[in-house]
Amino acid sequence: NAGVMQNPRHLVRRRGQEARLRCSPMKGHSHVYWYRQLPEEGLKFMVYLQKENIIDESGMPKERFSAEFPKEGPSILRIQQVVRGDSAAYFCASSVSRPSNTGELFFGEGSRLTVL
Amino acid sequence: SQELEQSPQSLIVQEGKNLTINCTSSKTLYGLYWYKQKYGEGLIFLMMLQKGGEEKSHEKITAKLDEKKQQSSLHITASQPSHAGIYLCGAFLSGNTPLVFGKGTRLSVIA
Repeated sequence: NAGVMQNPRHLVRRRGQEARLRCSPMKGHSHVYWYRQLPEEGLKFMVYLQKENIIDESGMPKERFSAEFPKEGPSILRIQQVVRGDSAAYFCASSVSRPSNTGELFFGEGSRLTVL
Repeated sequence: SQELEQSPQSLIVQEGKNLTINCTSSKTLYGLYWYKQKYGEGLIFLMMLQKGGEEKSHEKITAKLDEKKQQSSLHITASQPSHAGIYLCGAFLSGNTPLVFGKGTRLSVIA
């Protein structure tokens, strides 16, 4: 059973371009979470999705950032018109059920975005 | 302010020594997770604790959640270079909030 798969592992964009980060959850997992990790900072929650639904986006910046988890295919975190401050590691996690209900939460290897 | 405080922020120990990392919250912890992260890599799940007083072990790593469920400790016995990395605690602070994390404890193990 493959773990949480994220791609690309590394992404370089120029200011103003778009970044798309993909996350395929573990098999059988329908809950996906996105976190951002800035250098020397902890993990900051961004968004929680179930298939076709955004459950909690309280950590998402209001502009330029969006996330989806379609019925088929991976979850996608999209950053439009990237700025240097968007440079960070973006981690995806998945779980079978809502983790607070005793479910374990597994993370991918992360996607490292560098904005030039 | 940080909802989960980890201490110490960094730690250097000699190989073979024991060490403890703490994770403290001002709120009740509903589910406490410990992860390990190596630089530039993802998070490795270590343990999850839910019940007050619960204690779990995996190889030489033991984690406890105190009775009041506001603090957890991670203890490593006879540390080895393979234990080096960043240890992160994550917790649910209520039933409906997302998992939040401390800033991590950076552990170095020297020969």
